[in-house]
Amino acid sequence: DGGITQSPKYLFRKEGQNVTLSCEQNLNHDAMYWYRQDPGQGLRLIYYSQIVNDFQKGDIAEGYSVSREKKESFPLTVTSAQKNPTAFYLCASSIFVLRTISYEQYFGPGTRLTVT
Amino acid sequence: EDQVTQSPEALRLQEGESSSLNCSYTVSGLRGLFWYRQDPGKGPEFLFTLYSAGEEKEKERLKATLTKKESFLHITAPKPEDSATYLCAVHGGADGLTFGKGTHLIIQP
Repeated sequence: DGGITQSPKYLFRKEGQNVTLSCEQNLNHDAMYWYRQDPGQGLRLIYYSQIVNDFQKGDIAEGYSVSREKKESFPLTVTSAQKNPTAFYLCASSIFVLRTISYEQYFGPGTRLTVT
Repeated sequence: EDQVTQSPEALRLQEGESSSLNCSYTVSGLRGLFWYRQDPGKGPEFLFTLYSAGEEKEKERLKATLTKKESFLHITAPKPEDSATYLCAVHGGADGLTFGKGTHLIIQP
């Protein structure tokens, strides 16, 4: 079965610690994305990547970092510089993105991060 | 700047009572409008993609329509298992999808 996996499902960290969230896809998609979801707010884009070894900041990239060394993998690191890291983090992928047309993004099950 | 507003925020229906959810949007060049379903604690599940005004897509009890300013998700004779939060998103001039806050739908037996 093709899909997107995120691990772990729940993650607990102390303030001041960096933490890395895993995202893997076997859909052969070129583009991958990280979103953050907070209660009462829409999903917000953190980072995205359209090709291996290249990625761009989204709307709320401060305090986060990513890498894209393989097509299948797009890990997200939440650093100690992120002021409000507690949230539900969602990874997504899509075939690719063109200038005039966009294709649906498929989401993973999410990782709920709690920082105390 | 792309913007999406969904209404109502919450909707409670009786089983079999049809209704519509609204998604109003402003974009600089629509590349796609997307509907998702999200259950509590899970990732969004893709439902529909719409590209141009007048386009319609159907799946079981759901039908999505698109105009130049808004999209509707029509739910016909809903069942309790249709209870979820329905998210609307657009891809316009921004780099990723711009999401609305969602409509929380409850179908009572």
